[in-house]
Amino acid sequence: DTGVSQDPRHKITKRGQNVTFRCDPISEHNRLYWYRQTLGQGPEFLTYFQNEAQLEKSRLLSDRFSAERPKGSFSTLEIQRTEQGDSAMYLCASSPGGRELAGFTDTQYFGPGTRLTVL
Amino acid sequence: KNEVEQSPQNLTAQEGEFITINCSYSVGISALHWLQQHPGGGIVSLFMLSSGKKKHGRLIATINIQEKHSSLHITASHPRDSAVYICAVPFNFGNEKLTFGTGTRLTIIP
Repeated sequence: DTGVSQDPRHKITKRGQNVTFRCDPISEHNRLYWYRQTLGQGPEFLTYFQNEAQLEKSRLLSDRFSAERPKGSFSTLEIQRTEQGDSAMYLCASSPGGRELAGFTDTQYFGPGTRLTVL
Repeated sequence: KNEVEQSPQNLTAQEGEFITINCSYSVGISALHWLQQHPGGGIVSLFMLSSGKKKHGRLIATINIQEKHSSLHITASHPRDSAVYICAVPFNFGNEKLTFGTGTRLTIIP
């Protein structure tokens, strides 16, 4: 078990360009979450997947953002026509899932994040 | 009013001091995460608790479900404890998206 990994760790891009980030969760974790963290703030929820199904998207996720988890394993987050306000740390987390009916909540395991800078 | 509030926002202490960070929340289910974030961004889950108290090494976390309040304590603090400590609450069972506090930046001076 190598933990949650994210690629790239850093991305610098010019305004208007498209960028794509990848997250590889812990194997066999059903749930995958994307969060965004701006400087000096706590992370904010963007979207989450149960296997390959995207179950919820935050209002923060404008039409320029799209996330996929095609085979229920890794996930990608794409930002089209980047804006300077998109500069942030993008965090991915995974959790086993499936224990909620028993009244348990799961620990989420975070990746190292992808720091995006839009010039 | 933020849904998850932490205090203090910044804390500087001498090595060896007993540290307390507080978290109050108005949303979410009856469980809470304490997370640690080092410079560079990586987040590590320290505790998840839904009642009482948990201890791991020099870290102790307590929660009062009725009052929706939790505290994180660090005994015999050390410079390597310097980090941002964040509390977060899940939305509910089955949808465990987290709502985060803004974090407490802890600096331990040797």
